[in-house]
Amino acid sequence: DVVLTQTPPTLSATIGQSVSISCRSSQSLLDSDGDTYLNWLLQRPGQSPQLLIYSVSNLESGVPNRFSGSGSETDFTLKISGVEAEDLGVYYCMQATHAPLTFGSGTKLEIK
Amino acid sequence: EVKLQQSGDELVRPGASVKISCKASGYTFTSYSMHWVKQRPGQGLEWIGAIIPIIDTTEYNQKFKGKATLTADKSSNTANMELSRLTSEDSAVYYCASGIAALFDYWGQGVMVTVSS
Repeated sequence: DVVLTQTPPTLSATIGQSVSISCRSSQSLLDSDGDTYLNWLLQRPGQSPQLLIYSVSNLESGVPNRFSGSGSETDFTLKISGVEAEDLGVYYCMQATHAPLTFGSGTKLEIK
Repeated sequence: EVKLQQSGDELVRPGASVKISCKASGYTFTSYSMHWVKQRPGQGLEWIGAIIPIIDTTEYNQKFKGKATLTADKSSNTANMELSRLTSEDSAVYYCASGIAALFDYWGQGVMVTVSS
């Protein structure tokens, strides 16, 4: 199975600070169809996860543009440009290029 | 508006089975994959498997073969997951999630399954 390693496991940020989360894959996530199926999800406390970014860098509808994704093959990054209070929660990367689909272990964002 | 409404929380005895449902609305249920995800208390996310209702095709995480059975009722736009031979390791929140415009773009509210005697 593909292992996704997220760093850091926890992140503490002040409002307005920019932060980045890394997701490294044990295998290339470039699919034979040319797409890279790496998504980012946010799970706020007590809520279901929600999709933020799909296929590395595409912003899901309704998600603020302070969120952005980048990367290729095995190295991916989620950036939040100007953290807001509502951004607290656990961020997960997930891959759907290889079966079974797998998730990273999560990065908990705390607001100072 | 797309909505995935899951059934209520369950308390079940060890060794028993449980069936949880996910009723879809606001889109063409049969045309898109429906996925199931497990989350143990305080833990991360695990993919159980998926079903594509229009062709009744399922794909499972090998880890959950024999544990989970996914079905879809096209007449009621409902995806179901049955979990069998329950143990304490199966106590978790189970989510359904659809893949319409993008994979995992809509999620149900989750069902908490507690396995206890």
